[in-house]
Amino acid sequence: GQNIDQPTEMTATEGAIVQINCTYQTSGFNGLFWYQQHAGEAPTFLSYNVLDGLEEKGRFSSFLSRSKGYSYLLLKELQMKDSASYLCAVYGGATNKLIFGTGTLLAVQP
Amino acid sequence: DTAVSQTPKYLVTQMGNDKSIKCEQNLGHDTMYWYKQDSKKFLKIMFSYNNKELIINETVPNRFSPKSPDKAHLNLHINSLELGDSAVYFCASSSTGTGEEKLFFGSGTQLSVL
Repeated sequence: GQNIDQPTEMTATEGAIVQINCTYQTSGFNGLFWYQQHAGEAPTFLSYNVLDGLEEKGRFSSFLSRSKGYSYLLLKELQMKDSASYLCAVYGGATNKLIFGTGTLLAVQP
Repeated sequence: DTAVSQTPKYLVTQMGNDKSIKCEQNLGHDTMYWYKQDSKKFLKIMFSYNNKELIINETVPNRFSPKSPDKAHLNLHINSLELGDSAVYFCASSSTGTGEEKLFFGSGTQLSVL
């Protein structure tokens, strides 16, 4: 089976840096995704990691360690609009499906 | 030019009724999905179709019946609605075999069963 864990909530200050962790256990692994979901809206793609290491995209970076079953999403220079849920999702398993974690609700405060 | 569009956006109905949600994608993707997001915001896969064929069917009550008339459409019909069916249902699509199975989501259908 697959199991994905991430913190339920986090709070950070505008302009700061925040790291959202995700650990996973899966029977097959074909990649890890991070999605952002604002309240009342659809999830939108942020990043994809399939090899170990850091992927950087502007203010957002995502890291993967396959041997540790671990990933993090790093958000720099936080803005109020970054307040949202951040969903870690693993692609894999016997039927190659995208399984989501419960999401981390990030609140950015002034 | 919405990439993945689903209708209706809101659906309020009584217990026991039958309702349908429609989804269409214009991205040329070959795989479509239905996800359910409950009140705790947990996004759970229900079904997946690849080129009109069912490839993933999670443990979903058989009151839920997906139908894919072609690879650009995936509809969800729900019979005998129950209170526990209240949730947001998201349609999504992706292109398989690209090495990056990125999902594009529709805007969601908020179903409220009274």
